[in-house]
Amino acid sequence: AQSVSQHNHHVILSEAASLELGCNYSYGGTVNLFWYVQYPGQHLQLLLKYFSGDPLVKGIKGFEAEFIKSKFSFNLRKPSVQWSDTAEYFCAVNTDNQGGKLIFGQGTELSVKP
Amino acid sequence: DVKVTQSSRYLVKRTGEKVFLECVQDMDHENMFWYRQDPGLGLRLIYFSYDVKMKEKGDIPEGYSVSREKKERFSLILESASTSQTSMYLCAAEAGTERGYEQYFGPGTRLTVT
Repeated sequence: AQSVSQHNHHVILSEAASLELGCNYSYGGTVNLFWYVQYPGQHLQLLLKYFSGDPLVKGIKGFEAEFIKSKFSFNLRKPSVQWSDTAEYFCAVNTDNQGGKLIFGQGTELSVKP
Repeated sequence: DVKVTQSSRYLVKRTGEKVFLECVQDMDHENMFWYRQDPGLGLRLIYFSYDVKMKEKGDIPEGYSVSREKKERFSLILESASTSQTSMYLCAAEAGTERGYEQYFGPGTRLTVT
C-alpha cells in the first residue's frame, strides 16, 4: 500500500534559522504532492502543491518544496523561519489510481523560539 | 475560496451513543471526505463520497458510516460511540483546478467519548 513518511516528529528552531522538513512517499507511478499547515487552533490549509512541471514549487509565506522523483521525496524548505511559522506540517500524496484520496504523513510539529 | 463548515467544534458523548457529525460546503463540489486526526498518526481517511448517495470506504471505516443526501452536505455517523473514537474529525471538500484537485478542510470537530 502507498504510504507517506515524514522523518521528523518535532523540530525546534530559533527565529531566522533555515528549515527543511523531510517527506518521502512509496509509490512508483504519477503523483500529486501537497504540503498542508495547521496553525494552533486553526484549520488545515494548503501551503503548496506539485502536479507537474518545474519540480521546485513555491508556496505561501516564503515556503518552497522540491520534488525529486528519483528519491521519492518532496521536502519542504524555508530559508529563515519566524515565530509565526510555529505549526504542524503535513505532507500528502495523491496517486493517479486513488481518485481524490490523499495519503498523509504523520505530521511534523515545528516550534520556533523567538 | 471553498468554505467548509462543521456543525460543532467540540463534542462530548457517552459510550454507546449514536453520534452525528455534519459537514457542509458552500460550492457545488462532488467530492467530499471525512478524516480523523490523531497525534503521531497524521490524518487517516474514514469515508469519502464522489456524488450524492455515493460513498466509498477509506482506510479506517470500521465503526463509522456516512450519509450524503444532498451535494453540499456530508454526514459522518458513529453508530455506537466508543472511547477509541475520541479524536479530531476533519471534513474536506475537493475543488478542481486546471492542473488537478485540491482539498479544502473544515475547522474540525474534537470529539470526546467518555
